[in-house]
Amino acid sequence: QAGLTQPPSVSKDLRQTVTLTCTGNSNNVGNQGAAWLQQYQGHPPKLLSYRNHNRPSGISERLSTSRSGNTASLTITGLQPEDEADYYCSAWDSSLSAWVFGGGTKLTVL
Amino acid sequence: EVHLVESGGGLVQPGGSLRLSCAASGFTFSSHWMTWVRQAPGKGLEWVANIKQDGGDRFYVDSVKGRFTISRDNAKNSLYLQMNSLRAEDTAIYYCARDLDFWGQGTLVTVSS
Repeated sequence: QAGLTQPPSVSKDLRQTVTLTCTGNSNNVGNQGAAWLQQYQGHPPKLLSYRNHNRPSGISERLSTSRSGNTASLTITGLQPEDEADYYCSAWDSSLSAWVFGGGTKLTVL
Repeated sequence: EVHLVESGGGLVQPGGSLRLSCAASGFTFSSHWMTWVRQAPGKGLEWVANIKQDGGDRFYVDSVKGRFTISRDNAKNSLYLQMNSLRAEDTAIYYCARDLDFWGQGTLVTVSS
């Protein structure tokens, strides 16, 4: 099953703003949007944003999500050292009847 | 507080079988889709299977169809993954998740001779 496309790595300076992208098609991202997850090395993933852009309780307001066509985006403002992690997007693909994930983006905070 | 605890992982030879379990607590288990996601060493996340609240609908990634079976016991607040005909490429940490919003710590499955 084809996955979503994310850049493998992104680097940004402390306190700057970064936008991570996730590209799919009209059957997945373009249909119901994408969820975003964060994962630290050696730990399970953690949901950052539901497909409807709502943040779960306890997730920083520095994080926001959006969607334009078949591309979903996660924006983190005021980057902090603890934002250094792997970020994954995921969407339900209505044609495959399957969840599809992006390959993940490793975010480095310089 | 939502808790998901996986068990049943281990070392198995190619062609062998394992049954993973996931014990859920802290929420109404029977009201949620449940999902298995795996992560091979050093790789990204891969959705494996999910199951509707009543077990009536089940979906699988193509690579496990016919080999893996997802099931649930709502009376026991438990999710299962029966894995047969295991291959080396099934080696991964297997996570149990409530939809995708809460995740367990995972259980490691290693398929090797």
